[in-house]
Amino acid sequence: EAGVTQFPSHSVIEKGQTVTLRCDPISGHDNLYWYRRVMGKEIKFLLHFVKESKQDESGMPNNRFLAERTGGTYSTLKVQPAELEDSGVYFCASSQALDRDSSYEQYFGPGTRLTVT
Amino acid sequence: AQTVTQSQPEMSVQEAETVTLSCTYDTSESDYYLFWYKQPPSRQMILVIRQEAYKQQNATENRFSVNFQKAAKSFSLKISDSQLGDAAMYFCAYRSLLYNNNDMRFGAGTRLTVKP
Repeated sequence: EAGVTQFPSHSVIEKGQTVTLRCDPISGHDNLYWYRRVMGKEIKFLLHFVKESKQDESGMPNNRFLAERTGGTYSTLKVQPAELEDSGVYFCASSQALDRDSSYEQYFGPGTRLTVT
Repeated sequence: AQTVTQSQPEMSVQEAETVTLSCTYDTSESDYYLFWYKQPPSRQMILVIRQEAYKQQNATENRFSVNFQKAAKSFSLKISDSQLGDAAMYFCAYRSLLYNNNDMRFGAGTRLTVKP
């Protein structure tokens, strides 16, 4: 079974440009999460989808970030316009259920390294 | 809000030796999950071990074990008989069980180097 995949693996853009990151969760996983790790810092939560609905977007840094999950399958995270401080690794994770049986485990993708110059 | 602290940015261990990675957290909740994730270079993060807070017994997965001290809010990871493949970034994570709190809280990570 395929794991969580993310595209691209690495993106280098100039300040002011737009970038769209994509995440394909494990098939059948209703829960999809976006996280970001800025160099040397902790991984921080951005938002959580349940199917196509945003359950929690309290971690989104500002309105330059837009996440969508049309149809409840893959998700995109668009940054427009990108700023230097947006550089970091963006992780996507998915989980099947929010219950003790699954131990709430989240399965992570390999991340997209975004560099804004 | 819950916070997770990993005080060791880098650690190294000799192959076949034992190493302990430390993690402390802050929470007012009584039931929660704790995780250790491993991210090898250029590869995705994988779950190493998990611990439910209400279980007093320390979790063990082969060469990986934890020392969970609930009162001290400490959750260290012990790797026994270290192997070259254990070299990776290790993240400690906290997961609330509250319905409206579904995200993981992570520490800053510890980079583990294994010397042959």
